[in-house]
Amino acid sequence: DQQVKQNSPSLSVQEGRISILNCDYTNSMFDYFLWYKKYPAEGPTFLISISSIKDKNEDGRFTVFLNKSAKHLSLHIVPSQPGDSAVYFCAASVGGSNYKLTFGKGTLLTVNP
Amino acid sequence: EPEVTQTPSHQVTQMGQEVILRCVPISNHLYFYWYRQILGQKVEFLVSFYNNEISEKSEIFDDQFSVERPDGSNFTLKIRSTKLEDSAMYFCASTLQGGYGYTFGSGTRLTVV
Repeated sequence: DQQVKQNSPSLSVQEGRISILNCDYTNSMFDYFLWYKKYPAEGPTFLISISSIKDKNEDGRFTVFLNKSAKHLSLHIVPSQPGDSAVYFCAASVGGSNYKLTFGKGTLLTVNP
Repeated sequence: EPEVTQTPSHQVTQMGQEVILRCVPISNHLYFYWYRQILGQKVEFLVSFYNNEISEKSEIFDDQFSVERPDGSNFTLKIRSTKLEDSAMYFCASTLQGGYGYTFGSGTRLTVV
């Protein structure tokens, strides 16, 4: 049951360039979307979220775009830094941030100096 | 910055034994969760807890699992009779009402042998 899909298991970018991580979902009931970052031996860390009433949310170097008609969201990191190297998870919920999250499998981002 | 604390970080148990995984959520948070991640797979929802009762649970969370908030600060996950397939990283999380994203703990790696 892959309601949230991250089709790229890994992504490698140069420091200073843009990183674009993609996520697709199938459940049209999802109305809240989040991105988490995870380092080895740590729990996921919340990065940024977006409600389905918006199509863009920005926080510093991180921007999330939501295309509801395509059931697609993306996370842009500009500029990418070596410390951004981690696994990035897309997650979605029905009803908002207090409800259960359905996660994608994650994308390993490597930012090369 | 406030943290969600999980203990132990690693637990090895024999099949059929009971285990209790412990978590101390952030003190003013109201919603509490357990998730797990089997090696190589996605992070999966187990259970959410609000106002001293389970608010939602997944089909993974069968009669072998239980949760408790015994003293207003700890939040525990008990697995009554562990199976090999319960081996996973277990993450506790908490959030405020209307919070933008959960805060996850660093996880407990459970190994059932």
